[in-house]
Amino acid sequence: EVQLVESGGGLVKPGGSLRLSCAASGFTFSSYTMNWVRQAPGKGLEWVSTITSSSSYIYYADSVKGRFTISRDNAKNSLYLQMNSLRAEDTAVYYCARAIIEMTYDYWGQGTLVTVSS
Amino acid sequence: QSALTQPASVSGSPGQSITISCTGTSSDVGGYNYVSWYQQHPGKAPKLIIYEVSNRPSGVPDRFSGSRSGNTASLTISGLQAEDEADYYCSSYTSSSTPYVFGTGTRVTVL
Repeated sequence: EVQLVESGGGLVKPGGSLRLSCAASGFTFSSYTMNWVRQAPGKGLEWVSTITSSSSYIYYADSVKGRFTISRDNAKNSLYLQMNSLRAEDTAVYYCARAIIEMTYDYWGQGTLVTVSS
Repeated sequence: QSALTQPASVSGSPGQSITISCTGTSSDVGGYNYVSWYQQHPGKAPKLIIYEVSNRPSGVPDRFSGSRSGNTASLTISGLQAEDEADYYCSSYTSSSTPYVFGTGTRVTVL
């Protein structure tokens, strides 16, 4: 069974940093492009970042470019999102999601809440 | 890259059909077959219900169908059921500097 389990969310002050993790199981993690998608409270989905299977290609939304860094460790079946210089508008539930083709996410984690507040 | 445009809400009675539109440009919805739709119930993660414009993943009822005309994609739910009450999001690959974009989302209410 495919499982994606996010962790690392919490309360952080503006300007602070946080590292999210996503533990994958039930599939060959190293074969898939992985993604982070977020959803602010009461708002819609926002694509955040994508990393291809061997980390050859990485993409970011303009809203996080220069502040967030996506990475993966295929040996540990894990996806990461390092978030620096956090702002109030980064407050959201962060989901990791597996992509089977472009913009097609067939499995999602349960999400982890990040709250940026003083 | 701006979000794709969806109506904020659509409603229908049980058994009826409803259609949700997703309007983009020739640089996204109209230019690529990578249009997907997701269903999200409150407090839950999104679920893929349509991919590549009109394909259904296994396990998704055939009441859900997708199509496209020009720069607008559509999701049709036929034979509306109570459990279809949820938020629906379209998404597309784009040729802009940020290659992926979601729609604004549509709340479906079953009357």
